[in-house]
Amino acid sequence: AQSVSQHNHHVILSEAASLELGCNYSYGGTVNLFWYVQYPGQHLQLLLKYFSGDPLVKGIKGFEAEFIKSKFSFNLRKPSVQWSDTAEYFCAMRGNTGKLIFGQGTTLQVKP
Amino acid sequence: DAGITQSPRHKVTETGTPVTLRCHQTENHRYMYWYRQDPGHGLRLIHYSYGVKDTDKGEVSDGYSVSRSKTEDFLLTLESATSSQTSVYFCAISDRAASTDTQYFGPGTRLTVL
Repeated sequence: AQSVSQHNHHVILSEAASLELGCNYSYGGTVNLFWYVQYPGQHLQLLLKYFSGDPLVKGIKGFEAEFIKSKFSFNLRKPSVQWSDTAEYFCAMRGNTGKLIFGQGTTLQVKP
Repeated sequence: DAGITQSPRHKVTETGTPVTLRCHQTENHRYMYWYRQDPGHGLRLIHYSYGVKDTDKGEVSDGYSVSRSKTEDFLLTLESATSSQTSVYFCAISDRAASTDTQYFGPGTRLTVL
């Protein structure tokens, strides 16, 4: 079965710290991968996406993610977080069903 | 932001009552989706639509029905609400199911079933 796993459920960082959120997926075929962010009280917004090509994908607000096919991973990174990055982050994949499958989400709390 | 609205934004209801949530889009996108968001589960697909009057089940469809009589509106109905359906419901839209397509989400509806 196709699935997505986010290892970190709750991450607490201080401002200016570096961020890496893990995402692994389970599917052997071609995948599309996404990271969405949900700020407190708001809807999900697309941070970045990978369909093909360069495995290092840059998104909005200084976020990037690297697709490593051999590891079935699509980790999200940011070199220096800000208090405004406090949010919940969701990794998602789309395999051959055409439907989005989401991970459980990671809550990021950035302390000023 | 994509032109997606959901109504109501908040609703409290009692067990056993029917509830209908509405998703409205102004983007003329063909595909529309209903998800529920629960702690520890991320978002799970309830139903989706690939055109007017064309719908299909998702991962957690039991207890829910949908209808789409117009391109812009996708309704989710809880036939007889239960406490396990207390959740936040998100609608999403996409232009097509192609591999390069992206889903965009509405603001959500917080439903509490007492």
